[in-house]
Amino acid sequence: EIVLTQSPGTLSLSPGERATLSCRASQSVGSSLGWYQQKPGQAPRLLIYGASSRATGIPDRFSGSGSGTDFTLTISRLEPEDFAVYYCQNLGNFGQGTRLEIK
Amino acid sequence: HLQLQESGPGLVKPSETLSLTCTVSGGSISSSTYYWVWVRQPPGKGLEWMGSISYSGTTYYRSSLKSRVTLSVDTSTNQFSLKLSSVTAADTAVYYCGRLITGATGNYFDPWGQGTLVTVSS
Repeated sequence: EIVLTQSPGTLSLSPGERATLSCRASQSVGSSLGWYQQKPGQAPRLLIYGASSRATGIPDRFSGSGSGTDFTLTISRLEPEDFAVYYCQNLGNFGQGTRLEIK
Repeated sequence: HLQLQESGPGLVKPSETLSLTCTVSGGSISSSTYYWVWVRQPPGKGLEWMGSISYSGTTYYRSSLKSRVTLSVDTSTNQFSLKLSSVTAADTAVYYCGRLITGATGNYFDPWGQGTLVTVSS
């Protein structure tokens, strides 16, 4: 089973700043990695698939990069609605999540 | 656009069977392109994929749950269902149904239902 490890566990930033979230896989997953955003009381929402492709309707301030075992989700300029928990995913495996909170 | 909605009891007694149904609207469940999934999230914790089913009934289950999980599909009603037997308090979670998109770039869950909280308690 592939283990996905996300870092940091919590990221404290201010609106307008740049956020960089990491996901490391225990073995190569190629480019088969997705990112999801989850707000309190809501279902997760697909942001990025194939490591770098934005899902339908996702703003271009969200970008994904990486391949193999190391992946990054970048939010270029944080908007108030971006503060949430973010998960990476490969097949049936999810990372433990990164909580992005307002500083 | 495609929407999914979970339904079922919000309270289940220990040792009994948890049963949930997901109703798909705005599209057909009978597509060879997609699978249909259940993912759960214990309170305050992360996401756990439980299993996937195709419209023809092909299933894949999480290994740790395989002995207790059964997925089924009913194309006539555009629904698919989850049964989890011998539940304990550890099965208390929000249960989400969703669509699994499979392709050359990988497998992704989109969209998701709103989720339903199931509590296991006597």
